[in-house]
Amino acid sequence: GNSVTQMEGPVTLSEEAFLTINCTYTATGYPSLFWYVQYPGEGLQLLLKATKADDKGSNKGFEATYRKETTSFHLEKGSVQVSDSAVYFCALIPYNQGGKLIFGQGTELSVKP
Amino acid sequence: DTEVTQTPKHLVMGMTNKKSLKCEQHMGHRAMYWYKQKAKKPPELMFVYSYEKLSINESVPSRFSPECPNSSLLNLHLHALQPEDSALYLCASSQDLLAGMTYEQYFGPGTRLTVT
Repeated sequence: GNSVTQMEGPVTLSEEAFLTINCTYTATGYPSLFWYVQYPGEGLQLLLKATKADDKGSNKGFEATYRKETTSFHLEKGSVQVSDSAVYFCALIPYNQGGKLIFGQGTELSVKP
Repeated sequence: DTEVTQTPKHLVMGMTNKKSLKCEQHMGHRAMYWYKQKAKKPPELMFVYSYEKLSINESVPSRFSPECPNSSLLNLHLHALQPEDSALYLCASSQDLLAGMTYEQYFGPGTRLTVT
């Protein structure tokens, strides 16, 4: 079946530290991959996406590369800020199942000044 | 503009009440979704509408009744809920729902529901 596995949180970093949140997936065919961010008390915001192998999604200093050989889509940021504190969800939409957004469990990030 | 709006922001209801959640988007999207999210968990898909018709029902209990009056509006009617139904209810929309294509989903801020 289709599934997404994320590293467990919470992840606590100091401001300006390098961030990596690991995400691996299981899916048949070529899924599309997404990172969503949820700030406290809010809904989900689409952070970035990639739709085919070797695509790199980027937004607001965050990047993730679609790696088919390792079935991974790790989220990275070179220098985190306190305002990046949130829960990050890795997700996929299986090929040919447009409505089925499948989420990982979420990783809580806390950035300290 | 990628805004999905939801009302109310918070709702407290008793187990015998009837209430409705509302969702609206003006992006011209033809697919709309309801999700339920419990604390510290990912959203769980409940319903999907495509071109105002119910496309997916993820075996949701009948005390939740969705409605799509037009392409911009999505409602979720609630009746005889249980305390375990307390959660954040999220609405989302996407451009379309065509087979073989992928469309990103845009989420609203959610309605925080408490059932007493």
